[in-house]
Amino acid sequence: GQQVMQIPQYQHVQEGEDFTTYCNSSTTLSNIQWYKQRPGGHPVFLIQLVKSGEVKKQKRLTFQFGEAKKNSSLHITATQTTDVGTYFCAGVYFGNEKLTFGTGTRLTIIP
Amino acid sequence: GAVVSQHPSWVICKSGTSVKIECRSLDFQATTMFWYRQFPKQSLMLMATSNEGSKATYEQGVEKDKFLINHASLTLSTLTVTSAHPEDSSFYICSASTSLTSGGFEQFFGPGTRLTVL
Repeated sequence: GQQVMQIPQYQHVQEGEDFTTYCNSSTTLSNIQWYKQRPGGHPVFLIQLVKSGEVKKQKRLTFQFGEAKKNSSLHITATQTTDVGTYFCAGVYFGNEKLTFGTGTRLTIIP
Repeated sequence: GAVVSQHPSWVICKSGTSVKIECRSLDFQATTMFWYRQFPKQSLMLMATSNEGSKATYEQGVEKDKFLINHASLTLSTLTVTSAHPEDSSFYICSASTSLTSGGFEQFFGPGTRLTVL
């Protein structure tokens, strides 16, 4: 079946260090979305990537979509305590609107 | 952005009882809503896709007779957990999708309902 894997599962970084999470799908995606979930909260939409090789930036966050539209990454530069949470990628496959969530990467920041 | 509400935010019930969870899109109409379940420290697992005016589409392994979904209007979907058991204790989250001007769609998530079955 269609699966979306995400690594690492956990990441602890010193405040100010960079952070990257990687997402990989078993099959080609229509598009991929990224969400952030704070502890005790619900997922909040960050961005959608549609085009092969697409790169989008939101302040300190950089999102990439692979050329084959099977993998994606989220990179945070100079992390801050407000970045704490779990980051999920969610793949969308052709023909439907369903989101297949990755396993998530929990980011904790050491002040 | 669009707002999705869920009620109740948390519920504790006895084993064998049924619990109804409501999901509302407050400022937009949603022909499609989704129901997810999330166990502690795990990812969101899609349970079913709820379509206004038609039967829900359940994911493999989800019992449709246990998790009853009704999408009565363009702004309301309900999930009823029937004959709940302790293993049904989880965080249930709904979402509603809207189209993006750039194409594709964005899902707006409700705040979730934490169900504890004793």
